[in-house]
Amino acid sequence: DSGVTQTPKHLITATGQRVTLRCSPRSGDLSVYWYQQSLDQGLQFLIQYYNGEERAKGNILERFSAQQFPDLHSELNLSSLELGDSALYFCASSVGVTSNQPQHFGDGTRLSIL
Amino acid sequence: AQKVTQAQTEISVVEKEDVTLDCVYETRDTTYYLFWYKQPPSGELVFLIRRNSFDEQNEISGRYSWNFQKSTSSFNFTITASQVVDSAVYFCALSGYDKIIFGKGTRLHILP
Repeated sequence: DSGVTQTPKHLITATGQRVTLRCSPRSGDLSVYWYQQSLDQGLQFLIQYYNGEERAKGNILERFSAQQFPDLHSELNLSSLELGDSALYFCASSVGVTSNQPQHFGDGTRLSIL
Repeated sequence: AQKVTQAQTEISVVEKEDVTLDCVYETRDTTYYLFWYKQPPSGELVFLIRRNSFDEQNEISGRYSWNFQKSTSSFNFTITASQVVDSAVYFCALSGYDKIIFGKGTRLHILP
């Protein structure tokens, strides 16, 4: 058990809809990372938050946004969903601000767009 | 630009054989970190090891060992006396200060 909690585990929705994925980091970790894992693109870094502030951006689409709340949990919002957004979305957390620290991953949210 | 290449998409070996997973990276940074993560069939990613660019010592942890060679920009992972429980997808990753990138992964099948 990594200590990182992601909800929901599975999400099925339709094109054009909006969903919110939730992540609670491991106790004591201040950084939260979001990743998208798909068969064709592999594991792609989307965005990082550190102690409530956006820290780094990767290949995140404009239709996607995220935030980290004062209690350090984070939400990833995906809107105007397309078939190609179907993927496994992981959240990870680490203690410090830099990306060079070991990250602890949640079990992921599997998003299926019909 | 940074890049991580895991040329082996899929490997199958018989239990108790040794297997090496290759990882080649590209970066212009002088300070960087390399990682290996394991993704078993259950889906979660598990951290295995981190190495910084100034530490080229090989590391051994039980049946796992890692060989870091800056001269060839490689960070290879060897499993000795493989077991069925080692079946998983293994990812190599490279991080500078701000971002981490992952290789495409190597799917390892250990056959009983």
